[in-house]
Amino acid sequence: AQSVTQLDSHVSVSEGTPVLLRCNYSSSYSPSLFWYVQHPNKGLQLLLKYTSAATLVKGINGFEAEFKKSETSFHLTKPSAHMSDAAEYFCVLGGYQKVTFGTGTKLQVIP
Amino acid sequence: EAQVTQNPRYLITVTGKKLTVTCSQNMNHEYMSWYRQDPGLGLRQIYYSMNVEVTDKGDVPEGYKVSRKEKRNFPLILESPSPNQTSLYFCASSSPGQLWGYTFGSGTRLTVV
Repeated sequence: AQSVTQLDSHVSVSEGTPVLLRCNYSSSYSPSLFWYVQHPNKGLQLLLKYTSAATLVKGINGFEAEFKKSETSFHLTKPSAHMSDAAEYFCVLGGYQKVTFGTGTKLQVIP
Repeated sequence: EAQVTQNPRYLITVTGKKLTVTCSQNMNHEYMSWYRQDPGLGLRQIYYSMNVEVTDKGDVPEGYKVSRKEKRNFPLILESPSPNQTSLYFCASSSPGQLWGYTFGSGTRLTVV
């Protein structure tokens, strides 16, 4: 069985400070991992995906994620938060037939 | 533009009245799936389809039906909706070439009274 754990349900940062959203996974197979963002009353947008070609993955809007197999983690980071980053973020473990979502992390950005 | 289109965006209905939420994608994706999103529970998979005429249950299939007669369409059917099916529903599509990353529709907010 595969699973995804987002370690924080809420994260609050000040504008201009770094963002760290944590995600751990469990999978019997080589994982495909994704981060999605959902702004209020909107659908889900793909931020980035891990393709196994590189452990550090760059996404849209300045976000990055690093795949660490030894720690079974895929944490999402951004050097400097912007007000427009306030949203809910989902870590997703993909694969043939089965896709598993984390329960989401709500990011609050304080002016 | 590559997209997944869901209709309607909002729907209020009464208990027991059959309804269908449509989903269509224009990317020739083999894989399509339905999810419901509820506060505190995240997204849970209802049904998925690996290709035309191939469908299978996800984690929460009770009370739902699907069909995949054409590659581009994957409607979600609620034969007898109940209030516990009030939720936000998302359709998504993908393909092996996308490493199973999904493209999502904009969502359907369903209220059953």
